[in-house]
Amino acid sequence: GIQVEQSPPDLILQEGANSTLRCNFSDSVNNLQWFHQNPWGQLINLFYIPSGTKQNGRLSATTVATERYSLLYISSSQTTDSGVYFCAVESAGNTGKLIFGQGTTLQVKP
Amino acid sequence: GAGVSQSPSNKVTEKGKDVELRCDPISGHTALYWYRQSLGQGLEFLIYFQGNSAPDKSGLPSDRFSAERTGGSVSTLTIQRTQQEDSAVYLCASSKNGYGYTFGSGTRLTIV
Repeated sequence: GIQVEQSPPDLILQEGANSTLRCNFSDSVNNLQWFHQNPWGQLINLFYIPSGTKQNGRLSATTVATERYSLLYISSSQTTDSGVYFCAVESAGNTGKLIFGQGTTLQVKP
Repeated sequence: GAGVSQSPSNKVTEKGKDVELRCDPISGHTALYWYRQSLGQGLEFLIYFQGNSAPDKSGLPSDRFSAERTGGSVSTLTIQRTQQEDSAVYLCASSKNGYGYTFGSGTRLTIV
């Protein structure tokens, strides 16, 4: 099945810094989503982005489907950005399910 | 409802007992998914429903696990003869045609 690799596994930032999280995937996809899991365990959908670029406030994401990677940018980080960021993909075989990467754990220090 | 609702939020049960977990998806969402997350791990796919049918049950870990969905809405995940390795957070999500999953808050299951 499709493999999803996220990097870095852990990231510590000072408040106000910018960061880039990466997601590599091993096969063509027709669905890619980024999620944030807060310290209380709630998963929030950030982006549905199988290709192209989207922005939402301080967050933006870019997926280059032909090169099988996606990037999540966090600008001017805040302590509330802390948590785990997951990339999840559905292979182009349209299996109907998302396969999740292992996540990037982000800690933003005040 | 406004979001995906899961119950119970916490469940502690003795090894060998059966448990039922419930998921109430967002109204109008045709797709429903069950995942589980062990401590400090990523999300493991269990089963996916499109309407009332389950095209993909490949993630169910053993025949002790089963799930159903009725009326294209509420789903229950049943674990029979629970084992300690079943301890995890069980997460349910729903979506409209696969775009933008919305997750519930999960059921934390502890087998003692």
